[in-house]
Amino acid sequence: DTEVTQTPKHLVMGMTNKKSLKCEQHMGHRAMYWYKQKAKKPPELMFVYSYEKLSINESVPSRFSPECPNSSLLNLHLHALQPEDSALYLCASSQDAGGGTQYFGPGTRLLVL
Amino acid sequence: GENVEQHPSTLSVQEGDSAVIKCTYSDSASNYFPWYKQELGKGPQLIIDIRSNVGEKKDQRIAVTLNKTAKHFSLHITETQPEDSAVYFCAALRDRGSTLGRLYFGRGTQLTVWP
Repeated sequence: DTEVTQTPKHLVMGMTNKKSLKCEQHMGHRAMYWYKQKAKKPPELMFVYSYEKLSINESVPSRFSPECPNSSLLNLHLHALQPEDSALYLCASSQDAGGGTQYFGPGTRLLVL
Repeated sequence: GENVEQHPSTLSVQEGDSAVIKCTYSDSASNYFPWYKQELGKGPQLIIDIRSNVGEKKDQRIAVTLNKTAKHFSLHITETQPEDSAVYFCAALRDRGSTLGRLYFGRGTQLTVWP
């Protein structure tokens, strides 16, 4: 089983709201990732967690706050977003962060009004 | 850092024909090359991958070839079907080193298969 699940599937939020995106995998993977994808573009890396520690932050604005409560779960907390943050947010996982196959979830489609 | 170029950006074929998508990479240390298929409204799905110690890999109608010397790799889909219509992304990764966990993606190819 190579399934990564994400909730919610869709999210609409105002610029003053606080919301969270959730990601879960049960493959025993020790690396988890957040990507942002705009229409007709490839995914852009935001954060990498390796063994539940943040190892890469691609200079993402502080209105995006990642959290890895345990090796199976990854959250992305959203606060005071801008309309240009509207995108598909993808979670992925891999056996470890040193390389290897990344498996993606279905994504959360976010619209910021 | 790595730079991955992908061509063509759009590709239309008749059902039953073959489709070929090509990618080049710049970092000779890259050693893992996955291909992802992304259907509308879904996340990218791994369809095939190849490591730098292998020149070709095949899985039913899909094959990937790698030329390390020229630093390019290609996706070949034979006997295309309408359900192959999607955006395809190539990617490159250097296993180990400072580029920890970073997949470098091509810009994508929109494949349309006409019945």
